[in-house]
Amino acid sequence: KAGVTQTPRYLIKTRGQQVTLSCSPISGHRSVSWYQQTPGQGLQFLFEYFSETQRNKGNFPGRFSGRQFSNSRSEMNVSTLELGDSALYLCASSPQGGSGTEAFFGQGTRLTVV
Amino acid sequence: GDSVTQMEGPVTLSEEAFLTINCTYTATGYPSLFWYVQYPGEGLQLLLKATKADDKGSNKGFEATYRKETTSFHLEKGSVQVSDSAVYFCASNDYGGATNKLIFGTGTLLAVQP
Repeated sequence: KAGVTQTPRYLIKTRGQQVTLSCSPISGHRSVSWYQQTPGQGLQFLFEYFSETQRNKGNFPGRFSGRQFSNSRSEMNVSTLELGDSALYLCASSPQGGSGTEAFFGQGTRLTVV
Repeated sequence: GDSVTQMEGPVTLSEEAFLTINCTYTATGYPSLFWYVQYPGEGLQLLLKATKADDKGSNKGFEATYRKETTSFHLEKGSVQVSDSAVYFCASNDYGGATNKLIFGTGTLLAVQP
């Protein structure tokens, strides 16, 4: 069974630009969550999608958005990039949801904003 | 709100030494608890989990027991190997319905020397 696939693995963008990251979950998984990992803030939850609906959202500005398609693939978008958006963005998929459910993580997309 | 606190690293041990990484949580309900491991350049992998009080999670020689009375989920291993060198994250599942949101500790870097 293929794991969670995130593309691209690395990105370099300029301040003010926008970026779209992609995540393909494990086949059959309907829940996709996104996390931002930085040395200063650690791992922070961005949002979760389940069956094309956002069902939870973290404390990030509106520049961060996402969506999920009918095949469960998900994208996240960051507009008007800032230097502080440089981070490793991790996607995790789960079969369904609820307490105790294991999340399977992709290798991440390393975004560098210059 | 809910939070997870784990001991600061780095933790440096010699091969075959005993490992303990402390983790405590605060929660309004009864979260599930997890330990994830991150190897260099990789995403997170689930190491073990416990879903209710007094549950013991175990995997690859690692163990952790869900202690409700002390709100703790300390990670232990009797004899570490060089290959255990990685960053370890304690996490809780945000209790409150069908959500996969994970709240992470800051991570503890473990370095095992031969």
